[in-house]
Amino acid sequence: EVQLVESGGGLVQPGRSLRLSCAASGFKFDDYAIHWVRQAPGKGLEWVSYINWNSRDILYADSVKGRFTISRDNARNSVSLQMDSLGSEDTALYYCAKGRGSSFRDSFDVWGQGTVVSVSS
Amino acid sequence: EIVLTQSPGTLSLSPGERATLSCRASQNVRYNYLAWYQQKPGQAPRLLVYSASSRATGIPDRFSGTGSGTDFTLTISRLAPEDFAVYYCQQYGSSPVTFGGGTKVEI
Repeated sequence: EVQLVESGGGLVQPGRSLRLSCAASGFKFDDYAIHWVRQAPGKGLEWVSYINWNSRDILYADSVKGRFTISRDNARNSVSLQMDSLGSEDTALYYCAKGRGSSFRDSFDVWGQGTVVSVSS
Repeated sequence: EIVLTQSPGTLSLSPGERATLSCRASQNVRYNYLAWYQQKPGQAPRLLVYSASSRATGIPDRFSGTGSGTDFTLTISRLAPEDFAVYYCQQYGSSPVTFGGGTKVEI
């Protein structure tokens, strides 16, 4: 079964850091791009970041650029999202999603169930 | 950044009726790289249509996508009870990837 499982979410104070992980199974991981998408409570979907199959192409939304860092470990079938200088605007359910292809220009055909990040003092 | 505007915000229909959802882009969507997703409460989004008109694996043929350039439509020919959900369009032809604000299809 093709699956993505996120972990690492939690309650964190403003200005602190958190590291999310996305574990993949059931497909040839290093053939596909991975994205992070977030959804604030009661709101719509917001794309956060992307990494291509070999980590040579990485993109970020302007709202997180300079604060978030995406990386992947193809040997471990995992992607991480390091989130620094967190603010209340980062409070959301964070999903990782698999691209249909290896690079940016493709839709997202598999999604995890998400991990909740709550930023509050 | 390409802004996607979905209309209507809410669509109130009955099972068996036809649903027509609109997604308008602020500029041309490159290669018509436009996708539609369905999201039910407490669930992750599910891919329905990609490249404007190609149905994803396992998606019933009552779902169809049309359009090009800046105007796109998702049609559900006959609503099934499990189709009541929120639908999002997404463009992935240009960075950043952007999503529309969603259309809620309710009974």
